[in-house]
Amino acid sequence: RKEVEQDPGPFNVPEGATVAFNCTYSNSASQSFFWYRQDCRKEPKLLMSVYSSGNEDGRFTAQLNRASQYISLLIRDSKLSDSATYLCVVNGGGYQKVTFGIGTKLQVIP
Amino acid sequence: ETGVTQSPTHLIKTRGQQVTLRCSSQSGHNTVSWYQQALGQGPQFIFQYYREEENGRGNFPPRFSGLQFPNYSSELNVNALELDDSALYLCASSVKGVQETQYFGPGTRLLVL
Repeated sequence: RKEVEQDPGPFNVPEGATVAFNCTYSNSASQSFFWYRQDCRKEPKLLMSVYSSGNEDGRFTAQLNRASQYISLLIRDSKLSDSATYLCVVNGGGYQKVTFGIGTKLQVIP
Repeated sequence: ETGVTQSPTHLIKTRGQQVTLRCSSQSGHNTVSWYQQALGQGPQFIFQYYREEENGRGNFPPRFSGLQFPNYSSELNVNALELDDSALYLCASSVKGVQETQYFGPGTRLLVL
């Protein structure tokens, strides 16, 4: 089993749609979790940290389920500019090993 | 912008050569991590430096080595380049802590022929 698993997609959704991505992780001792966004041929940019209580930033909501070892990202009212690859990141703590998922590609269609 | 800079932006080398990539961390950040991202893959953790010491390493051979300097900038060195080393090399800086958030530089695109 991979340490961090994501569905690579692509997810093709119409403008205004709500879309959700999940990411599972294998290390139950993982300490911190993040979602990054990566545009084609650019560096990853932090979208949001993921907290145990869940957190929201505008149209974006992130959730953490430690019991089932997954994190999720919900995007409401999708915009064309949301088209990108969304990377799930898990920090295992300890020797500070940070693991990225393969990324989920989102294409928002007019 | 994150304030993390990398040089060079692009590089072409031949198999067997050596390469040094450089990264300047964001002001106030004391930790630098390096990643390799092949086409269509997520970034793979190479290693992390904190206070000039290696503080974690991924599954990369010893020909991948690094340094961190007193000003927290860092170098990634790769010896005996192989064709599979062709990738985007990303540097991320952070402040060591529990909820450690990494900020990425623009990357160096390396092509090995």
